[in-house]
Amino acid sequence: DAKTTQPPSMDCAEGRAANLPCNHSTISGNEYVYWYRQIHSQGPQYIIHGLKNNETNEMASLIITEDRKSSTLILPHATLRDTAVYYCIVTSGSARQLTFGSGTQLTVLP
Amino acid sequence: DSGVTQTPKHLITATGQRVTLRCSPRSGDLSVYWYQQSLDQGLQFLIQYYNGEERAKGNILERFSAQQFPDLHSELNLSSLELGDSALYFCASSVARRDTEAFFGQGTRLTVV
Repeated sequence: DAKTTQPPSMDCAEGRAANLPCNHSTISGNEYVYWYRQIHSQGPQYIIHGLKNNETNEMASLIITEDRKSSTLILPHATLRDTAVYYCIVTSGSARQLTFGSGTQLTVLP
Repeated sequence: DSGVTQTPKHLITATGQRVTLRCSPRSGDLSVYWYQQSLDQGLQFLIQYYNGEERAKGNILERFSAQQFPDLHSELNLSSLELGDSALYFCASSVARRDTEAFFGQGTRLTVV
């Protein structure tokens, strides 16, 4: 699986959009980009995933660059409950191949 | 609530002891995964079962073993416990073998003293 690089921490004001970047320059053609988050030692929670097209669901939007070497997770209206560690994972495989790196600690400020 | 149930939530035990962690997957999910999260190692995949059979092994120690029963619940057995085994142990489940949208339980916090 391709390695990912994420900033260690980010702050966001409540009600504003949170844009979390992820670099995955060695991604291969059959690899998907997945985002999970972990709220304070709870179990990780699936957010969204994509291959090459932008994706949106009720939680977030995923923007993948045309060359697929980077992506951005967008939480459109961040709330205090969105404070968590966000993990960007690139994989072609199953949940066993979810390699959780260090992630980005997002802190939503009141 | 992910629908994955793990028991117990907390466990404190002494070095050298053996413990069993239990996981009930979401209804209908056939795959169960076990992960370990320690302070210095992050979240690491241990083992996967699919419909009762072992499918993949990750960084699981020989002192650890797991199984999945006919009703699809799974147990992770940890023996000869060491201080370094103190960690959060998460179970996840998914419908098929290769799904990556996995649903995680709330974890069991194991403290070895």
